[in-house]
Amino acid sequence: DVQLVESGGGLVQPGGSLRLSCVASGFTFSSYWLSWVRQAPGKGLEWVANIKDDATVTSYVDSVRGRFTISRDNAKNLLYLQMNSLRAEDTAVYYCASSIAVSGVEYQFDSWGQGTLVTVSS
Amino acid sequence: DIVMTQSPDSLAVSLGERATINCKSSQSVLYTSNNKNYLAWYQQKPGQPPKLLISWASARESGVPDRFSGSGSGTDFTLTISSLQAEDVAVYYCQQYYDTLKTFGPGTKVDIK
Repeated sequence: DVQLVESGGGLVQPGGSLRLSCVASGFTFSSYWLSWVRQAPGKGLEWVANIKDDATVTSYVDSVRGRFTISRDNAKNLLYLQMNSLRAEDTAVYYCASSIAVSGVEYQFDSWGQGTLVTVSS
Repeated sequence: DIVMTQSPDSLAVSLGERATINCKSSQSVLYTSNNKNYLAWYQQKPGQPPKLLISWASARESGVPDRFSGSGSGTDFTLTISSLQAEDVAVYYCQQYYDTLKTFGPGTKVDIK
């Protein structure tokens, strides 16, 4: 079975940093694009960033570009999100999600982790 | 960025009745080269991650009950639950994957009347 397990969330002060991790199993990790999607308390889903299967391409939503960095280690089946200069509005549950891609075009999110909560507060 | 909107924000339907959710994109998500709509629907129950229900606007995922169906093309899409069951209480989101920057609709909450 496909499994995605996030970790690394917690309480951090505004301006601080945090690194999230997502370990994958049950599928060929290096063949999938991966994304981080977040959900603020009581709010909807917001795509944050994604990374190509071979890690050569990354994209970000405008609100985190320049502050967050997505990366992956295909040898360890790990996805990361380095979050710097955190703001209160970054408070959310962060999910990792996988998707297949064909000819460089990423498709729907077919598997999701359970999420990890990031709280930015003083 | 492609902006996704959904209507209604919430709806309450009697058990066994039909529920209809609409989704609209600010630009077409239909790739004319393959005639596919890059539109997915997800179900999220309280305390759980989203679950993929439908991809390509109308292709139901394996294991998803056939009471769930998707339709539409271009910029206007619909998710229909033909006969609402108690376990269908959830928030439903549409999402476009046409663009590199993925976007979700704001969600529609479905309850039992």
